Amino acid sequence: DGGITQSPKYLFRKEGQNVTLSCEQNLNHDAMYWYRQDPGQGLRLIYYSQIVNDFQKGDIAEGYSVSREKKESFPLTVTSAQKNPTAFYLCASSPWTSGTGELFFGEGSRLTVL
Amino acid sequence: AQRVTQPEKLLSVFKGAPVELKCNYSYSGSPELFWYVQYSRQRLQLLLRHISRESIKGFTADLNKGETSFHLKKPFAQEEDSAMYYCALKGAGSYQLTFGKGTKLSVIP
Repeated sequence: DGGITQSPKYLFRKEGQNVTLSCEQNLNHDAMYWYRQDPGQGLRLIYYSQIVNDFQKGDIAEGYSVSREKKESFPLTVTSAQKNPTAFYLCASSPWTSGTGELFFGEGSRLTVL
Repeated sequence: AQRVTQPEKLLSVFKGAPVELKCNYSYSGSPELFWYVQYSRQRLQLLLRHISRESIKGFTADLNKGETSFHLKKPFAQEEDSAMYYCALKGAGSYQLTFGKGTKLSVIP
């Protein structure tokens, strides 16, 4: 079954703890993205990666970190430095070399900080 | 900087009525514009893009560079059109896709 897989779907963490959200794709896409979705705020870009071992900050990268060691994987770590981490996180990938600009999204991960 | 504005958080229309979801953008170069849709309990997905000039599920959108707008239109709304709609912009040569805050469309039976 092809697509984007995010895990876990729901995650609870205590303040001061780091947490890592997983994103895996088997679409052979070059580019991968992390967005944060908050009610009334739409989607805001956290980080994106065009190729393996390279990534760029988006609009709200502070308090987050990523890695891109494999083409199919783009994990996001929400660190204790993120002041308001409770949110819905969406991962996406894109066959950017095709030039279509279409993003394929995962089902999302909802993080709640207690 | 690139910015996308969707002025309506919520739009309610009756079934069979015309629909127009507004989108305005700010970008200094030549943008590529998209509409994404999220139906209840489904993933966010691409609805249409301006370069294709296509009609998907009866929806169309025309890029108006003079007014910097990319409004989404459908002549007759259906109940299954109820969803969250996001307008998005990609700059030429960029990998970054910027989204608006979204408009929730509710079609009343």
